[in-house]
Amino acid sequence: DTEVTQTPKHLVMGMTNKKSLKCEQHMGHRAMYWYKQKAKKPPELMFVYSYEKLSINESVPSRFSPECPNSSLLNLHLHALQPEDSALYLCASSPAPAASYEQYFGPGTRLTVT
Amino acid sequence: EDKVVQSPLSLVVHEGDTVTLNCSYEVTNFRSLLWYKQEKKAPTFLFMLTSSGIEKKSGRLSSILDKKELFSILNITATQTGDSAIYLCALNFGNEKLTFGTGTRLTIIP
Repeated sequence: DTEVTQTPKHLVMGMTNKKSLKCEQHMGHRAMYWYKQKAKKPPELMFVYSYEKLSINESVPSRFSPECPNSSLLNLHLHALQPEDSALYLCASSPAPAASYEQYFGPGTRLTVT
Repeated sequence: EDKVVQSPLSLVVHEGDTVTLNCSYEVTNFRSLLWYKQEKKAPTFLFMLTSSGIEKKSGRLSSILDKKELFSILNITATQTGDSAIYLCALNFGNEKLTFGTGTRLTIIP
């Protein structure tokens, strides 16, 4: 298994909803990442988990809450989002949290906040 | 803020042409430079460059890094319609963070 999977592919939610994005990889990678990508912009890093511990939070608002239940799973819990949070949310993983490894990206979840 | 600028922003060529995409940066303390291809959703990994002057090649694609002049190029020869995508370069500073460039949107006309 050499891919990163993300569910759901599309999500529409209201500003008062609570939802979760899920990311899974079975490549034995020990670093996992959440990125946010707005239209016609490059991906922007949100969070990094290294060995199931949160190592980087790029000053992301608390309405986004990451969780890494185990080395294969990464969740992003969403609550009270704003319309400007609508974007493509990409998950990635790499063998280890080091500069010598490339990151493998999932297909993303297209989120629309109404 | 670490800045990574790609040029051109957009490029339209005919099938069979050769293209050169540029990635320029302003910092020197990065560990590696990566190239990705993004079609509809997931960026897919192309190359990782760590040393200046060493070309990496994969089929019709090749890339090289010039640490003295602070840029990298991605060459695609004999382009095909399947090469149409956004090409992203990114710097890895060794702290697990990738800083992406602005991207080049490449369109190949049959």
